[in-house]
Amino acid sequence: GAGVSQSPSNKVTEKGKDVELRCDPISGHTALYWYRQSLGQGLEFLIYFQGNSAPDKSGLPSDRFSAERTGGSVSTLTIQRTQQEDSAVYLCASSPDRGGDTQYFGPGTRLTVL
Amino acid sequence: DAKTTQPPSMDCAEGRAANLPCNHSTISGNEYVYWYRQIHSQGPQYIIHGLKNNETNEMASLIITEDRKSSTLILPHATLRDTAVYYCIVRTQTGANNLFFGTGTRLTVIP
Repeated sequence: GAGVSQSPSNKVTEKGKDVELRCDPISGHTALYWYRQSLGQGLEFLIYFQGNSAPDKSGLPSDRFSAERTGGSVSTLTIQRTQQEDSAVYLCASSPDRGGDTQYFGPGTRLTVL
Repeated sequence: DAKTTQPPSMDCAEGRAANLPCNHSTISGNEYVYWYRQIHSQGPQYIIHGLKNNETNEMASLIITEDRKSSTLILPHATLRDTAVYYCIVRTQTGANNLFFGTGTRLTVIP
């Protein structure tokens, strides 16, 4: 079946511009995560959605970062006033039920802020 | 979640078994052992997980010691496409546990 998809695959933007990154989770998965990964580094947790519960935003690095999940499916991660340090690969993962279930990752969006 | 220790890198000849070790001496009773891998420029990929019994699927086998303080991921017949960074994670299956990937083991499969 279809896996997690993300778009765009690559995004180049200028410092100060806003960007939106999209994630389509596996159909029926109720849990959705956003992570980012800088070059050669491990995963950095950003935000977690579970069903209709309030999201866990504890990993968002600043108030320039926000995310929404509409209808319990598609999620959008928005970065306002981008900075060069925001350059990274942004990864989305979904899992069938609880957050503790196995997570299935998308291919990521490579964001480059010039 | 308990910490894990893995060798930073390993080589394996194509067609041979790749055995990737992981130490998790502080694992608690309700923590599972998970393995993921990340091929260059791709998102992480789930491989296998287990609690205390050995597990096998179409990708790999997972051998967990009786005291659960260490485990080994086995790729029975490594191919060039198995070249990746392999991450061993121990975690519970409740709550919002986001994944924490350490430095992992960089496996290079050599032709």
